[in-house]
Amino acid sequence: NAGVTQTPKFQVLKTGQSMTLQCAQDMNHEYMSWYRQDPGMGLRLIHYSVGAGITDQGEVPNGYNVSRSTTEDFPLRLLSAAPSQTSVYFCASSYSILAGGAYEQYFGPGTRLTVT
Amino acid sequence: AQTVTQSQPEMSVQEAETVTLSCTYDTSENNYYLFWYKQPPSRQMILVIRQEAYKQQNATENRFSVNFQKAAKSFSLKISDSQLGDTAMYFCAFANSGGSNYKLTFGKGTLLTVNP
Repeated sequence: NAGVTQTPKFQVLKTGQSMTLQCAQDMNHEYMSWYRQDPGMGLRLIHYSVGAGITDQGEVPNGYNVSRSTTEDFPLRLLSAAPSQTSVYFCASSYSILAGGAYEQYFGPGTRLTVT
Repeated sequence: AQTVTQSQPEMSVQEAETVTLSCTYDTSENNYYLFWYKQPPSRQMILVIRQEAYKQQNATENRFSVNFQKAAKSFSLKISDSQLGDTAMYFCAFANSGGSNYKLTFGKGTLLTVNP
């Protein structure tokens, strides 16, 4: 199993540009989440999904869109990038409690995004 | 909303010695999960140890153990026989039990340096 994969690893955008951060998992996990990590702030939840077709907002959702058309993929879209979105982005996945999940979230390697 | 506080932004320890990282949290829930994640310079988030609130016994994983004080809402991590590879950022995290285990709330992290 590849686990949780994210692409790209690094990206530089200009203010106002749009892009999609890709996330995929091959563990058949129902739950998937996006976090951003900023210096001195820990990780903060952006959006999450409890299954295909179901998404919801986390703590810091403004400026980001998500969709979940398949169990495996959970892309994060920046519609109009701003310097405040410069951060490291992590995708994570886990089993659901109904599947006997152990509450462990598996993280991807992260994407470092710089918006100039 | 839950909050997680790590009061030590940075710590250092000599190789082979023991170090304790502090974490306190605030919640009105009775059932929940607590985690320590390690983030080495590679940026990968690695689960170190997990504690279920309804279990009174402190979790242990090899050289890593926790001191879970539910009444005091304290969850400290003890690293014994510190190794150079333990140098990393350590995050304390909280998750509700039930259907929202995918939503982790993180502390701001403690940067641990192990000196030779």
